Order: sequence, then C-alpha cells, then structure tokens
Amino acid sequence: KNEVEQSPQNLTAQEGEFITINCSYSVGISALHWLQQHPGGGIVSLFMLSSGKKKHGRLIATINIQEKHSSLHITASHPRDSAVYICAVVTGNQFYFGTGTSLTVIP
Amino acid sequence: KAGVTQTPRYLIKTRGQQVTLSCSPISGHRSVSWYQQTPGQGLQFLFEYFSETQRNKGNFPGRFSGRQFSNSRSEMNVSTLELGDSALYLCASRFTGRAGTDTQYFGPGTRLTVL
Repeated sequence: KNEVEQSPQNLTAQEGEFITINCSYSVGISALHWLQQHPGGGIVSLFMLSSGKKKHGRLIATINIQEKHSSLHITASHPRDSAVYICAVVTGNQFYFGTGTSLTVIP
Repeated sequence: KAGVTQTPRYLIKTRGQQVTLSCSPISGHRSVSWYQQTPGQGLQFLFEYFSETQRNKGNFPGRFSGRQFSNSRSEMNVSTLELGDSALYLCASRFTGRAGTDTQYFGPGTRLTVL
C-alpha cells in the first residue's frame, strides 16, 4: 500500500510547454514537500506546503487538503528542468515518498 | 553557510561487513534525518535524530542504527551487510525538530555498493 501516489511516472515535454505533476496521498498530513532530484543524486527541496499555493520563479505548487491532492506546475519549461520530481508527505514525524515523476524537457 | 556534507561519497563493501556513514548538518540545525534510496523502493525514511535523541524510526531492521553527537553530526551504521543494502543513503538537516514546519536540506548522499 502506497501512502503517496504520483502521476505521471514519466513525462516528456517540448521546451516552453506548461507541465503539471500530480500527487495524491491517503494519510493525514502536517505538510507536503516537493523535491527535485537531478541525475547524480542531489536532492533539492522546492516547496513545503501545508495549505494553499506557493510560487517560486516558474514553479507553482498547490495543495488541497480536503481532497488530499497536490500539484506541481512548471511554466515555460526548459531543458534544465529535466529531473525527477518527488512528492513527500509528513505525518507525525514520518516522511512518506512518492515514487517520483521523471521529467525530460526536449529543446 | 556550508551545506549538508556526507562522507564518504562512495563506498564498496562485501556481504557480511559493516559500514558507518557520516553526516554533518548545516550549522545550527539540530535535526538530522537519514533516507535510503533504491531503484526498486524509491526513497524510504530510516530515522531522525534531534538533540542526540532518536525521534522516529522507519521500517528497517535492527541492522540499521544511528546516533547523533552533541555537535549535531550524525552517523548511521549498517551491520552484516546484504546485497539489498546497496543504495544511495541521503541525510537531511533542518533547524527544528518539528517535521511539518521546516524545509529540509539534503546532502549529496553516500552511494554504497555491496558485493
């Protein structure tokens, strides 16, 4: 049983396209994180959300607590956005992770 | 501020051996969490330490253990290594011990290969 489900698993986009990655979870949470992992392994925390919406540059993250769903949007995608995007939820002091969405942006 | 550092970055061991990995958090951060990442299971939470105390533990066997020192540096130990322990081990630090309130900062990871 996966506490966190992400979709799609893989995504290929043309440069400039608007991208949406979805995350659904089944547990009560205190926060949700979006992480970015580039080839080579380094992980960067993009957003931490407990409600509403956050924006950073071309990235927007939203969360709907009632529906237990979050989305990560990338506007005007660029090849450097190519990475694995991972959704993680916090319940108590435990982290549960989605399996990630592998994004490739083609020039 | 320097980021989270992990040593060593790469390690090769054989089955049955034990290994110790080290993580130095960002200065001032008191919480250190450890994660295992494998192609099959993805990222999984191992444990978290805050002020030298283990606050929470994931679903891993007792062969996986850790500790935190008074300067917040943390070590994790895996005894009696198995092939399935081959993974990228990541540590992350944050300022407080309240998981829902702080951003985590990840280290580059230690890639462990068990032969």
